Amino acid sequence: EVQLVESGGGLVQPGGSLRLSCAASGFTFSVHWMHWVRQAPGEGLVWVARLNPDGSGPTYADSVRGRFTISRDNAKDTLDLQMNSLRAEDTAVYYCASQRLDSPVDYWGQGTLVTVSS
Amino acid sequence: EIVLTQSPATLSLSPGERATLSCRASQTIVRSFLAWYQQKPGQAPRLLIYGASNRATGIPDRVSGSGSGTDFTLTIASLGPEDFAVYYCQQYAYLPLTFGGGTKVQIK
Repeated sequence: EVQLVESGGGLVQPGGSLRLSCAASGFTFSVHWMHWVRQAPGEGLVWVARLNPDGSGPTYADSVRGRFTISRDNAKDTLDLQMNSLRAEDTAVYYCASQRLDSPVDYWGQGTLVTVSS
Repeated sequence: EIVLTQSPATLSLSPGERATLSCRASQTIVRSFLAWYQQKPGQAPRLLIYGASNRATGIPDRVSGSGSGTDFTLTIASLGPEDFAVYYCQQYAYLPLTFGGGTKVQIK
């Protein structure tokens, strides 16, 4: 069974940092492009970042570039998102999700809530 | 960045009725790399349709997708109680991946 399990969410003050993790199982993690997608309370889905299967080519949404860093460990089947200089507008449920070449984003985790507030 | 515009924002229908959801792109989506997702409260999105018209694994044939270029449609032929949810279209042809604003299908 395919599973993506996020962890690391919580309450953080503006300007603070948080590191999210996503543990993958049930599929060949090392051949999937991996994404972070977020959803603010009551809002729609917004793509955040993507990383190639071999860990190269990190790509970010304009709203997080320079503050967030996506990384992966294919030996441990994990994906991370280091979030620095957090703002109130970063408050959202963060999903990790996977994608194969020329295919849609198909597997999603259950999400982890990040709340940025003083 | 490709902007996806979904309409209507809300669709109020009765069980058994047909639902037709629209997604319009700001530019042509090559190879019809357009997907549809269903999301229920407190849950992750679930893939329904990919490549504009291909059903994902386990999706019943009363759910169908069509379209190409800039105009795409999701149709649910006869709404069951499990179909009342929010639906998003998404293009995966280009980065950044973009999503439409969603259509909420609610019980009339």
